[in-house]
Amino acid sequence: EPEVTQTPSHQVTQMGQEVILRCVPISNHLYFYWYRQILGQKVEFLVSFYNNEISEKSEIFDDQFSVERPDGSNFTLKIRSTKLEDSAMYFCASSEPYRVQPQHFGDGTRLSIL
Amino acid sequence: DQQVKQNSPSLSVQEGRISILNCDYTNSMFDYFLWYKKYPAEGPTFLISISSIKDKNEDGRFTVFLNKSAKHLSLHIVPSQPGDSAVYFCASHGSGNTGKLIFGQGTTLQVKP
Repeated sequence: EPEVTQTPSHQVTQMGQEVILRCVPISNHLYFYWYRQILGQKVEFLVSFYNNEISEKSEIFDDQFSVERPDGSNFTLKIRSTKLEDSAMYFCASSEPYRVQPQHFGDGTRLSIL
Repeated sequence: DQQVKQNSPSLSVQEGRISILNCDYTNSMFDYFLWYKKYPAEGPTFLISISSIKDKNEDGRFTVFLNKSAKHLSLHIVPSQPGDSAVYFCASHGSGNTGKLIFGQGTTLQVKP
C-alpha cells in the first residue's frame, strides 16, 4: 500500500540553525500538509499546500517557516532559525481532493533543538 | 471557535468486549470527521470517517456514529483485540476549504487479553 515517507526520522539541531524536513507524499495525491505534535499536546495543523502554493497556514507558521515542492515528488518544511520551542514531532500528510478523502500521514520527524 | 475534544484520556477494556471512544466538537459548520489510530513512533493511521450527511458509517469491526444535534461522535470497536491498543484521535475538517484537520487530544485504549 502506498505510504507517505519522511526523512530523517530524528533531527538534532542547535538553536538558531536552519533545518529542512523532507517528505515524499503518495504519488497521486494533490494536497499536502504539515502538522506538529509537541510532547504531551495535540497534533496541530501548520500548513496546507495545493497547486504549488499555500492554501492555509496557522498562526504557528510564521516567517521562520516555509514549504516547498522542489520537484514532482518531494515536499519540504524549512525552519530558518530554530527555537527551543520548535522541538516536536513533525508529521507530513497528503490526500486526494480533501472533501471526501482522508489524509494519510508519514511516521514523522522528531526534531530536537538544543 | 474550532475545537475538537476527547474528554477521556484513557480507556481499558477486556478482549472481545466493545470499546467506545467519544469525541465532541464545538463548531456546527464542521462537516467531515475522521478517526485515526496511532502507535508509538508511528504516524497517525486513518481508520474511518463520516460525513455530516450521515449518522453512521461502518467498516468491519469499526463503526462511527455522528450526533449532529449534540455535536458528538463516537467510535465503536467490536470485538476489541489486543492489537487495537493504541492512541485514538478524533479529527475534523475545519470550516474553511483547505483540508485543515483539527485534532482532539487523543484517548489511549488498552485492550487486555
